[in-house]
This record gives sequence, C-alpha cells and structure tokens, in this order.
Amino acid sequence: QSGLTQPRSVSGSPGQSVTISCTGTSSDVGASNYVSWYQQYPGKAPKFMIYDVTKRPSGVPDRFSGSKSGNTASLTISGLQGEDEADYYCCAYAGSYLWVFGGGTKLTVL
Amino acid sequence: EVQLVESGGGLVQPGRSLRLSCAASGFTFDDYAMHWVRQVPGKGLEWVSGISWNGGSRGYAGSVQGRFTISRDSAKNSLYLQMNSLRPEDTALYYCARDRGGAGAKGYFDYWGQGTLLSVSS
Repeated sequence: QSGLTQPRSVSGSPGQSVTISCTGTSSDVGASNYVSWYQQYPGKAPKFMIYDVTKRPSGVPDRFSGSKSGNTASLTISGLQGEDEADYYCCAYAGSYLWVFGGGTKLTVL
Repeated sequence: EVQLVESGGGLVQPGRSLRLSCAASGFTFDDYAMHWVRQVPGKGLEWVSGISWNGGSRGYAGSVQGRFTISRDSAKNSLYLQMNSLRPEDTALYYCARDRGGAGAKGYFDYWGQGTLLSVSS
C-alpha cells in the first residue's frame, strides 16, 4: 500500500486559517470514514486530533476541523495560534486490516 | 491513567532478530486493538502492524510482511513485535499505540507510548 499524499509544508499568520490536504485513493481515504489526524511536536509522541473524518476527541479545540471529499481528506485549523506550529499526519484504513499514514505536513506559524 | 511503555529496542546487526514489548496499564487491555507505528528520526510516521482485541485479526505493512509478527498477552497486559531478518531500513523509533475503536479496530490511535529506538547496523 502506498502512503497518503500531504503537502510538505504550509504556513499562516496568527488568526488566519490553514488547510492541510491528504490525498489517497478509492481504496483508502475514499473507501470509508476511518480517517484520522495527528499532531506531533519535535521529540514528542503524536497526539490524536480528529477521527471519523470530522470528530474531535475530548480536549481538542474546536479550531481544528476535518472534512473529506472523494479521495481527499482535509484538516483545517482556524484562528491559528503559535502553539499550532507542529507536524500533522493523516491516517486512513486501507482495508484488510491495513492502515496507511500520510507523509506529514509541517505547519509554520509566521 | 492510560500508560504505554515500550522496551526492547537497541542496536542489532542486519539479519538478526529482536522482540519489542509494550506494557499497558490504566485501561482494560482486552477491550482494545493495538498497533505498532514507527518513525525514522526526522521523517514521517509509518504504520507497521495491528492486532485485534483477541488476536484474531492481524495486519502488517508490506515493508514488514513475512518478517515481523505481532502478538499480545492479556495475562501480562502486553503487546509484542517479533522482528526477524532485520534490515537497516527498519531503523526507527517504534511506538505502541492503542486503538480508540475498541475491539473493532479503526486505526484511531488515541494513546501512544514514548517509543523504543531500534538501530540496525553492522
């Protein structure tokens, strides 16, 4: 299975919104709603941010939202804050008890 | 408090074997599917393997299929990854992660350990 495609980097100024895309195929992203997103700071374990494409676990600010259209999922961060600067990864179920991550996107807050 | 503590990493020569362990606490281990995810330092995350709550379903990334075996021991609340025929490209930080999906795994990794580092080199 191939990895999902994410932009290497995105950037935005405080208060702005940014969107990170995650493109897969009809066998993974497009096949189900089992899409999740993770935030990772350098030297730290990833943090669970979004599941079921759009849902937020308890404690995740509502500035973070997810969506999906066809084979592409997206993570949008609105009201950008300095603490949002991190790496972000998408993950999708690829069938047959297999999962695949995106290559990761580095978010820079200008 | 949910805790996942990995161990067993280290330096190993190519072609050798090693077993990673993940000790789980703070939740009912038998109620959750579990996974191994790895990350080459400075690179992205790669899903390696997953196992259902009862061990009845298992999956492996193509890059490790046939070389790695995932297992779990409910009596010890532990997850394992037996790694054979190790290659330099297996060098990475290996994380243990719980699947929020419960018994029906969905790949929602809600808790992660801090990882154990494997280095494969001669």
